[in-house]
Amino acid sequence: DQQVKQNSPSLSVQEGRISILNCDYTNSMFDYFLWYKKYPAEGPTFLISISSIKDKNEDGRFTVFLNKSAKHLSLHIVPSQPGDSAVYFCAASPNFGNEKLTFGTGTRLTIIP
Amino acid sequence: ETGVTQSPTHLIKTRGQQVTLRCSSQSGHNTVSWYQQALGQGPQFIFQYYREEENGRGNFPPRFSGLQFPNYSSELNVNALELDDSALYLCASSGGQGVGETQYFGPGTRLLVL
Repeated sequence: DQQVKQNSPSLSVQEGRISILNCDYTNSMFDYFLWYKKYPAEGPTFLISISSIKDKNEDGRFTVFLNKSAKHLSLHIVPSQPGDSAVYFCAASPNFGNEKLTFGTGTRLTIIP
Repeated sequence: ETGVTQSPTHLIKTRGQQVTLRCSSQSGHNTVSWYQQALGQGPQFIFQYYREEENGRGNFPPRFSGLQFPNYSSELNVNALELDDSALYLCASSGGQGVGETQYFGPGTRLLVL
């Protein structure tokens, strides 16, 4: 039972354009959502998070949007840079501070120079 | 500040054997979580240790067990290895002052069971 789904295994975007990565979840108990980025041979690195009391959180080039009624979140990266090429994981938790994360299967983002 | 480290980086075992994986948490962190990442999948939560006590467990059988030591480093033990245990095992630490919910992951141990 995949409670967090990332339906696009891969995405290619031109450098300088916007990258949009999507994530859907099924468990209504999830209250806190995170995005992690993973390079080969490294562990996942925390990127940005959002609580269910918000619908948007922004940090520099990265913005996460949450649509709680649709159980959908998205990560926007603008402008996209070659260093953004990595696998991006969406993760969810029942509450802030609960570190027992449920991850999606990841989306491989490739930025084309 | 030292990050999360894991050892060994790679390991090959045969079915039925036992394995121990090690993790040193980031300085000041008292919580360690272990995840299994199979090929093409996202990390799956195995269990978490907080101040040497198990603090939650995912959907893994009892042959997956762990320990946390007084210095907050941790071990993951897997008995009676099966072919499906082949995966990347990730350790993450959290809980230091000011870091809140952020987990810091180590590079992982890649286990191959033949």
